[in-house]
Amino acid sequence: DVLMTQSPSSLSASVGDRVTITCRASQDISNYLAWFQQKPGKAPKSLIYAASRLESGVPSKFSGNGSGTDFTLTISSLQPEDFATYYCQQYNTYPPTFGGGTKVEVK
Amino acid sequence: QVQLQESGPGLVKPSQTLSLTCTVSGGTISSGDYYWHWIRQHPGKGLEWIGYIYYSGHTYYNPSLKSRLTISIDTSLNQFSLKLNSVTAADSAVYYCARRPRITLRSFDYWGQGTLVTVSS
Repeated sequence: DVLMTQSPSSLSASVGDRVTITCRASQDISNYLAWFQQKPGKAPKSLIYAASRLESGVPSKFSGNGSGTDFTLTISSLQPEDFATYYCQQYNTYPPTFGGGTKVEVK
Repeated sequence: QVQLQESGPGLVKPSQTLSLTCTVSGGTISSGDYYWHWIRQHPGKGLEWIGYIYYSGHTYYNPSLKSRLTISIDTSLNQFSLKLNSVTAADSAVYYCARRPRITLRSFDYWGQGTLVTVSS
């Protein structure tokens, strides 16, 4: 299985901050990388697919970058509704695998 | 707007079979445009992919669960189902159904709200 490693596992930030989360794959996954946002008690919500493509309706403050094994998710200006847990997921090979998550908390 | 909704018992006894159904509305499960997946999340933990089914009945399971798992589909009811047998406490989790487009570069684009299943006597 492809191991997905996210860092950091948690971070504290303030409204207006620029936040970057990193995801590393244990092998080349091309650009088959998605990012999800999950709030407590809710299902994950797709933000980005194909490493850098924004899902319809997702604000442009979210951006994704990378290919191969190293990827990033950036939130350009953190807003109160963005405090959540973020997961990366590879879908280059089966089984699809997820990173361990990054919890973005209020500083 | 497509919606997915999981249903099934919230409590299952150890060694018994966990059975869940996902009902799809706002779209036709037999269109052939999507793969229909199950994913679970242990309490306070990350996400684990369980398996998928296509409208034709083709399935693919996570090797770690394959020996205990059956996913089936009922196109007449627009539903697909999961059966996991010989459950233990380690199978306690929130179970999600989700869809993934067959052709586009998207991954899981729509999810159900999730249903908590607890394995306990």
